Amino acid sequence: GAVVSQHPSRVICKSGTSVKIECRSLDFQATTMFWYRQFPKQSLMLMATSNEGSKATYEQGVEKDKFLINHASLTLSTLTVASAHPEDSSFYICSAQEASHGYTFGSGTRLTVV
Amino acid sequence: GEDVEQSLFLSVREGDSSVINCTYTDSSSTYLYWYKQEPGAGLQLLTYIFSNMDMKQDQRLTVLLNKKDKHLSLRIADTQTGDSAIYFCAETGLTGGGNKLTFGTGTQLKVEL
Repeated sequence: GAVVSQHPSRVICKSGTSVKIECRSLDFQATTMFWYRQFPKQSLMLMATSNEGSKATYEQGVEKDKFLINHASLTLSTLTVASAHPEDSSFYICSAQEASHGYTFGSGTRLTVV
Repeated sequence: GEDVEQSLFLSVREGDSSVINCTYTDSSSTYLYWYKQEPGAGLQLLTYIFSNMDMKQDQRLTVLLNKKDKHLSLRIADTQTGDSAIYFCAETGLTGGGNKLTFGTGTQLKVEL
């Protein structure tokens, strides 16, 4: 079946540094990638939607200058948390959409900012 | 925005059936999904149903959809300890632009011996 590889699975960084999270669709081309944030014991909140080669569409309240999304190819999307702070600590999950595969989720990245 | 609600917690004994409920408000929902999330992991698609269907069965899983009441349920037969996880319902509809998933609040299923 369709697989989305998300890396890293866990990252601890110092406050003020930037962190990049990658999502790759391994055996299909993802026309659209979604990035979610999940706080402990809560649901997934959509942060942004990106289509290959175009700018991401951010949900209301999500700072596009802080959460930089690049979708340079049909198999790779990256989320960069710029100048991370402790309140950015969360679980980030990507999802790739392709017509015949529906939605396939990455395994998530646990970000801890200290 | 559209809302998708679930009860927070469900506890069942191993071997019993589990029923997880979900209500939604988007009358334009086209597809409705059930996902399973184990601790520290991503989401695993369990099953989905198209909005013009009433019921779908896939091995131990049965999905019922009452479109009039905007109510979706997932029944897990012969629940096992490995079924312990958080279950999310989700929907896509025209309100969300056609391809955005709106997730429910999640139901923590605990299976006891």
